[in-house]
Amino acid sequence: AQSVTQLDSHVSVSEGTPVLLRCNYSSSYSPSLFWYVQHPNKGLQLLLKYTSAATLVKGINGFEAEFKKSETSFHLTKPSAHMSDAAEYFCVVSDFRGNAGNMLTFGGGTRLMVKP
Amino acid sequence: DTEVTQTPKHLVMGMTNKKSLKCEQHMGHRAMYWYKQKAKKPPELMFVYSYEKLSINESVPSRFSPECPNSSLLNLHLHALQPEDSALYLCASSPSAGGLFFGEGSRLTVL
Repeated sequence: AQSVTQLDSHVSVSEGTPVLLRCNYSSSYSPSLFWYVQHPNKGLQLLLKYTSAATLVKGINGFEAEFKKSETSFHLTKPSAHMSDAAEYFCVVSDFRGNAGNMLTFGGGTRLMVKP
Repeated sequence: DTEVTQTPKHLVMGMTNKKSLKCEQHMGHRAMYWYKQKAKKPPELMFVYSYEKLSINESVPSRFSPECPNSSLLNLHLHALQPEDSALYLCASSPSAGGLFFGEGSRLTVL
């Protein structure tokens, strides 16, 4: 069974300061891991994905994440927050089941607030 | 811009109404999904279609009826819903492996 834990339900940063959103996962095999962002009243947008290639993954809008197998972590970072980064962020682990599709296990979400 | 298109964006219906949510993708993905999302919660899986066949039904009540007319379209038919069914309904598609691509969602309010 897979599980995902986002360690902070809310994170508040000032504009221009670094962002760190923490995620730990549990999986019985090599996982595929994703970060999604959801702005208010919008769908989920894929930020980045890890699928067993490079452990440091770069995504859109300046975000990146590092896969650390020894720590079972996949934390999301950004060097400098922008007001438009304020949103809900979901860490997700995927289980590919062939013809049954991709089964996603979501973390509980982290709400990022950015202060001017 | 999302490549998964959902209509309508907003829907208000009474408990005796019949309505449908529609989803379309033209990325050639053969798996399509319906999720339900309540406020301040992660999405919950409802149905998965793979190669136009229903492969997963997460014990969803029969008042929700999915349909996949072809590889690009996915519908969710709604009948006799309850107020607690009010939520954001998200459609997604995926290639054979990798992440899901989500639409913008349909915001449903049941009166």
